[in-house]
Amino acid sequence: DTGVSQDPRHKITKRGQNVTFRCDPISEHNRLYWYRQTLGQGPEFLTYFQNEAQLEKSRLLSDRFSAERPKGSFSTLEIQRTEQGDSAMYLCASSPPTGEHEQYFGPGTRLTVT
Amino acid sequence: LAKTTQPISMDSYEGQEVNITCSHNNIATNDYITWYQQFPSQGPRFIIQGYKTKVTNEVASLFIPADRKSSTLSLPRVSLSDTAVYYCLVGDDYSGGYNKLIFGAGTRLAVHP
Repeated sequence: DTGVSQDPRHKITKRGQNVTFRCDPISEHNRLYWYRQTLGQGPEFLTYFQNEAQLEKSRLLSDRFSAERPKGSFSTLEIQRTEQGDSAMYLCASSPPTGEHEQYFGPGTRLTVT
Repeated sequence: LAKTTQPISMDSYEGQEVNITCSHNNIATNDYITWYQQFPSQGPRFIIQGYKTKVTNEVASLFIPADRKSSTLSLPRVSLSDTAVYYCLVGDDYSGGYNKLIFGAGTRLAVHP
């Protein structure tokens, strides 16, 4: 399967713990996006990478959140000191360098903070 | 904030054609109109995109009137597997050199036997 993959698919953690999610984009895609989706709402943009450079961060991405894409391939999203309000689906998407408007989404990581 | 308005939900029956209309009164000259589909516990999936008039692919058709203030996604002969949330988005293809997708709440389509 050459689609976008995310790991883990589900994560349950206690409030105050740190969690890290991983996204592996489609191999030839240099653009990578993170979104967050809560129940009944559409996905909300969090951040964008072009290769290894993080070019935009939403104000939704508080200082407890950090994202990296060290070699321009996979990306990680870390949430420190999780709060119950962080419970959501975290989606990763990728797109090729030019010519396509389409973003290819992974299956998401569902985070539950208890 | 999402720049589109679409019905919260729709119901249909297998074999019928479904038309979902999206309003985007403030669409900009450079904006494209894009539709995504999302099944439960999956990420959204691109369906179709257009700028004006009509676009058709193997999944759907997209009708865009001349003023581009609305668009209609048409799904021919729906089946139970078309039950999903459908999102209408508008965006500048070259905003900042990339397209940051701004989703609204979408339209929940339920297809009944």
